Amino acid sequence: QQQVKQSPQSLIVQKGGISIINCAYENTAFDYFPWYQQFPGKGPALLIAIRPDVSEKKEGRFTISFNKSAKQFSLHIMDSQPGDSATYFCAASGLDAGNMLTFGGGTRLMVKP
Amino acid sequence: GAVVSQHPSWVICKSGTSVKIECRSLDFQATTMFWYRQFPKQSLMLMATSNEGSKATYEQGVEKDKFLINHASLTLSTLTVTSAHPEDSSFYICSAWLASYNEQFFGPGTRLTVL
Repeated sequence: QQQVKQSPQSLIVQKGGISIINCAYENTAFDYFPWYQQFPGKGPALLIAIRPDVSEKKEGRFTISFNKSAKQFSLHIMDSQPGDSATYFCAASGLDAGNMLTFGGGTRLMVKP
Repeated sequence: GAVVSQHPSWVICKSGTSVKIECRSLDFQATTMFWYRQFPKQSLMLMATSNEGSKATYEQGVEKDKFLINHASLTLSTLTVTSAHPEDSSFYICSAWLASYNEQFFGPGTRLTVL
């Protein structure tokens, strides 16, 4: 059973546009929601993360929006650049799961120049 | 800080041989490390949780006798793929848990190709 569902699977955005990736989770015990960026042949790198005590977190061009009641969270990339082209994974974890991360299926983002 | 390395970065081996992959936390101690497998265009799938000084905990469907994990020190965990077969070809990624950050830090991955 996939506990974190991510959409869309792929996304094409023009340079300067906004990229939006959505995730939904089922386990209400999750209390940590990170987003990872992965380039081909590399390990994932933490981009930004949020905990349920806030509804939004912004770091530079990257923003996480979190809706606890809907059990959904999303990543917004403002002013998308070709260098942002990568695969993005949402994830979730909780203390009851030993801090193990459950990953979403991933979104392949392509930013066209 | 919080750098995790893996060695080798890629390896090609013959079917039936064993391959060892090392995961090191370079600037912090990690009592817990995690091993993931990632097939092309797919997400990361947790294989096992490696705890220093104790036996690893394997996820359902992962053969513990085939994927041997040793976490002998606070900075090193190893994954040995025994009697490798072509279907074991994958991208293996480790991560190390840094308690003070309450976060996992990922290694760069190891590409295994079994001929």
